[in-house]
Amino acid sequence: SQQGEEDPQALSIQEGENATMNCSYKTSINNLQWYRQNSGRGLVHLILIRSNEREKHSGRLRVTLDTSKKSSSLLITASRAADTASYFCATRMGGGNKLTFGTGTQLKVEL
Amino acid sequence: DAGVIQSPRHEVTEMGQEVTLRCKPISGHDYLFWYRQTMMRGLELLIYFNNNVPIDDSGMPEDRFSAKMPNASFSTLKIQPSEPRDSAVYFCASSIQGGGTGELFFGEGSRLTVL
Repeated sequence: SQQGEEDPQALSIQEGENATMNCSYKTSINNLQWYRQNSGRGLVHLILIRSNEREKHSGRLRVTLDTSKKSSSLLITASRAADTASYFCATRMGGGNKLTFGTGTQLKVEL
Repeated sequence: DAGVIQSPRHEVTEMGQEVTLRCKPISGHDYLFWYRQTMMRGLELLIYFNNNVPIDDSGMPEDRFSAKMPNASFSTLKIQPSEPRDSAVYFCASSIQGGGTGELFFGEGSRLTVL
């Protein structure tokens, strides 16, 4: 079963608007990662946030983590048409190195 | 660096045929992961290797699937015999550290269609 569940499943916004995607997970984690996947392409790592961090920024990306609620959010500010893609959160359950991906949010940024 | 290289990019085959997917990880990466992506099940981890040794193959669906990593620069995922339900995009990814502490670098995937 999926460790992470993204919400919403799909999101359509206008260029220049902000996009917020949420991820909920089930078990304790060491860190949480966000990936982007353009249509027909492989996944690309965006940002990693550790369990002892609450917020992290990278360019137009802002990630928050609430371990008490087992949730994370990804905010893309001033969205561009090129941000159109699917976004996935990924977590590691327990020990080992298995990275489990959520169900993804399909973001469409319209001109 | 060229990144993770997968071949073939597309494969169409008939049920019962053997399928071999190939992956060349990024040089110096000591972890290699095979994932499968479908609309119904999303991204599933099939197996991963550390220093060419299979560490966890609990995600391999059944005995028809096998994976090998004969050296640090090459891995294969084989399906024999293939079935229509194996149709999916298969991704290979590599990392310096394991997926839990480091980022994964994905290939462009191999889209498999089994008729």
